[in-house]
Amino acid sequence: AQSVTQLDSHVSVSEGTPVLLRCNYSSSYSPSLFWYVQHPNKGLQLLLKYTSAATLVKGINGFEAEFKKSETSFHLTKPSAHMSDAAEYFCVVNPDNYGQNFVFGPGTRLSVLP
Amino acid sequence: DTGVSQNPRHKITKRGQNVTFRCDPISEHNRLYWYRQTLGQGPEFLTYFQNEAQLEKSRLLSDRFSAERPKGSFSTLEIQRTEQGDSAMYLCASSSDTEAFFGQGTRLTVV
Repeated sequence: AQSVTQLDSHVSVSEGTPVLLRCNYSSSYSPSLFWYVQHPNKGLQLLLKYTSAATLVKGINGFEAEFKKSETSFHLTKPSAHMSDAAEYFCVVNPDNYGQNFVFGPGTRLSVLP
Repeated sequence: DTGVSQNPRHKITKRGQNVTFRCDPISEHNRLYWYRQTLGQGPEFLTYFQNEAQLEKSRLLSDRFSAERPKGSFSTLEIQRTEQGDSAMYLCASSSDTEAFFGQGTRLTVV
């Protein structure tokens, strides 16, 4: 079975400091991996995706993530947090790359303090 | 707007009533998904269509739930005899390649 673990349910950082949101996955195949962001009362927005190309993936709004197969991890980072980054972040795995199912992690709520 | 559209955005219904939600995917996308999200949780997969064929259903999709995509374009999700536990955000997504694009969801409240 495929699953996604987000190690922190809540992360709090100060504005201008780095962000690290952790994600580990389990999959029987070489998966596609995604990070989505959900702002309050808004839809899910794709931040970035990994689909077996470069292991370091750059996304929108300065976010990036690194796929590490040996660690089955796909952690999301940003060098400098902005107040507008405060939201819920979901790590998502597509286990077989054929788009048949997207398995979501439980989410990490990011708070950014002034 | 060429994104995924869901209607209605909000629905309040009495327990025992039937409700139907609609999803209009991005026009060239052949795959369509339904998810359910409760407060503080990640979205949970309900069902998936490729064109008009329903290829996968979650065990979460009880007999009271039915989804259709009659012409491979829009889709409907019907819940019969609603229960309070059905209260959630129902999300629709569409895909043509590797990533899914989500609508803003329909928030169902069963009172």
